[in-house]
This record gives sequence, structure tokens and C-alpha cells, in this order.
Amino acid sequence: EDQLVESGGGLVKPGGSLRLSCAASGFAFSVYTMNWFRQAPGRGLEWVSSISSSSESIYYTDSVKGRFTVSRDNAKNSLFLHMNSLRAEDTAVYYCARDYLYYRENSGVAGSWGQGTLVTVSS
Amino acid sequence: DIQLTQSPSFLSASVGDRVTITCRASQGIRNSLAWYHQKPGKAPYLLIYDASTLKSDVPSRFSGSGSGTEFTLTIRSLQAEDFATYYCQQVNTYPWTFGQGTKVEIK
Repeated sequence: EDQLVESGGGLVKPGGSLRLSCAASGFAFSVYTMNWFRQAPGRGLEWVSSISSSSESIYYTDSVKGRFTVSRDNAKNSLFLHMNSLRAEDTAVYYCARDYLYYRENSGVAGSWGQGTLVTVSS
Repeated sequence: DIQLTQSPSFLSASVGDRVTITCRASQGIRNSLAWYHQKPGKAPYLLIYDASTLKSDVPSRFSGSGSGTEFTLTIRSLQAEDFATYYCQQVNTYPWTFGQGTKVEIK
């Protein structure tokens, strides 16, 4: 069974940095596009970033471009999100999620999700 | 960015009811739409993709339809476990965007 476990969230001051990790198991991690989504407290869902199976294609939402960097280590079945210059508006639960269909790179359809990790940006 | 508007934003229904949620896109997105539901404190769960294709483990009481700019999610006979917030998501054009959500509550 697919399992995705995020870690690395916490309280950080504005302007600070965090690195989120997502450990994957139960599926062939290296053939799937992976995604990060977030959800601010009491708000809806927002897509943050996607990275294709080989890391060849990477996409970000505009509000995080230049501040966040997504990466993956297929040998370790791990996904990462490096977040710099954090702002109050980045406060959210961050979810990693696997594309549903391995044969459709960058589909954006998230078939498996982790439980999320909370990032709080506050002084 | 493509805006998705769901209606209604809130829906009160009883077990056994037929429920329909609409998602309208600000521009045509072909059939590049997915539906999720989310329960409090839990991650979203994929129900439908390509506007009308049911994820393999989703009950058949769920169905989706539409293309272009107007889409619907229908729950044929609402069950207790279906009370949740429902989101549509367009995956036609980056950035992927979501509707604001429709909360389905018990009447």
C-alpha cells in the first residue's frame, strides 16, 4: 500500500528557511511525478510544485518561485521542498502527493497523499 | 490563472439524498478536471479524474460529467461517510488550481 510521510515542518520566523521531506514506500517512487500542495488554516487547497520522475520537469506556483526548490532522490524514495525567505502567508499544512497515473507525467492528479506537515511562519 | 467556482459552497443533505455539485472554469479546460473530498484533519482523497473517470476504489454512487467550462459531481445516494468538503481541480494549465470547496453537511 502506498505510504507518504512528510516531516520537517515547524515554527519559523519570517525570512527563515525550512526543508520538508517526504518519505515514500509501497510503490515504485522513481516512475511517478510527485507534487507538493498546501492548505492554509481553515482555507482551501493550493498546488505548490511538481517534479517529474526524472527531475527533468519542475514547476512552481508563482508565489513561491525563486524562494522554494523541489527535489527528489529516487535512490532513497524521497521528495524534498526547500523553502527560503518564508512569509506569514506560507503558513499552511504541506502535503506531498503522488500523481495517480505513472504513465502520465505531470498530470497533476494526486492519487495518494501524505498526512501533511504544518509550517507556521510567525515572529 | 484559471479560476474554478464551485456551487453551492455549502450543502445540507440527508443520507440517501442525491447530491450534485457544480464546478465552473473561467476558461475552457477540456476534460482536465479532478474531484476530491476531504474530511476534517485528513488529507484530500481523489474520487474522479478526466472529469468522469472514477478512481478504481471509489464507490459507483459517485459520478462526474462535463467538459470545457462546466462540470458536475453527483453522489447518487449520499452515505454517512460522504459528509465532507469536496474540491474540484483543473489540471489543464499551470498553475493547477482548485475550487473553493463545497461543504456537505448532515441535515
